[in-house]
Amino acid sequence: GESVGLHLPTLSVQEGDNSIINCAYSNSASDYFIWYKQESGKGPQFIIDIRSNMDKRQGQRVTVLLNKTVKHLSLQIAATQPGDSAVYFCAESRNDYKLSFGAGTTVTVRA
Amino acid sequence: DTEVTQTPKHLVMGMTNKKSLKCEQHMGHRAMYWYKQKAKKPPELMFVYSYEKLSINESVPSRFSPECPNSSLLNLHLHALQPEDSALYLCASSQKEADTQYFGPGTRLTVL
Repeated sequence: GESVGLHLPTLSVQEGDNSIINCAYSNSASDYFIWYKQESGKGPQFIIDIRSNMDKRQGQRVTVLLNKTVKHLSLQIAATQPGDSAVYFCAESRNDYKLSFGAGTTVTVRA
Repeated sequence: DTEVTQTPKHLVMGMTNKKSLKCEQHMGHRAMYWYKQKAKKPPELMFVYSYEKLSINESVPSRFSPECPNSSLLNLHLHALQPEDSALYLCASSQKEADTQYFGPGTRLTVL
């Protein structure tokens, strides 16, 4: 079926280390990808996005990589901080209103 | 400014009550969305409004009734809900289709 998924449901990372969160998708027609961060009791917060005509995009401390050959998306967080502890969702869109979300990865930052 | 606001923050209602959730954005976005999110799950799309017209209804039960009074406001009217409808209800907006969706903080709904 067509879905967006994350490889691991949880990730524990030492403060100051880099984090990598992975996501696989199955629909080759997907052309827009977004990463959201959701802290406990809050709504999803936009982090970074990428369109299918790119393979890398950088923001502040975050980088998204898109590998269309293997249908893989990743989010890299540099120098992970305690405030980065949250659930991270990847989402994909096929040039319409619908966003398909992955299951989410819970990131815990160890002090 | 990428702010979407939602009221109330929390809502407890009985199965015979009628209540409404409200959402507002002043970013000039022309698409607005309602999502339902259960604990430890991703958001699930319920409704999409585009240019104040209902564009998508994801087979949502009629006890949920959306309304878009104008381009900045989105309501979700609730009537005769079931305990299993308890969830976080999220509103989002985007400039247009296939564009970045910005979410509000959500309304935590409990149905007794």
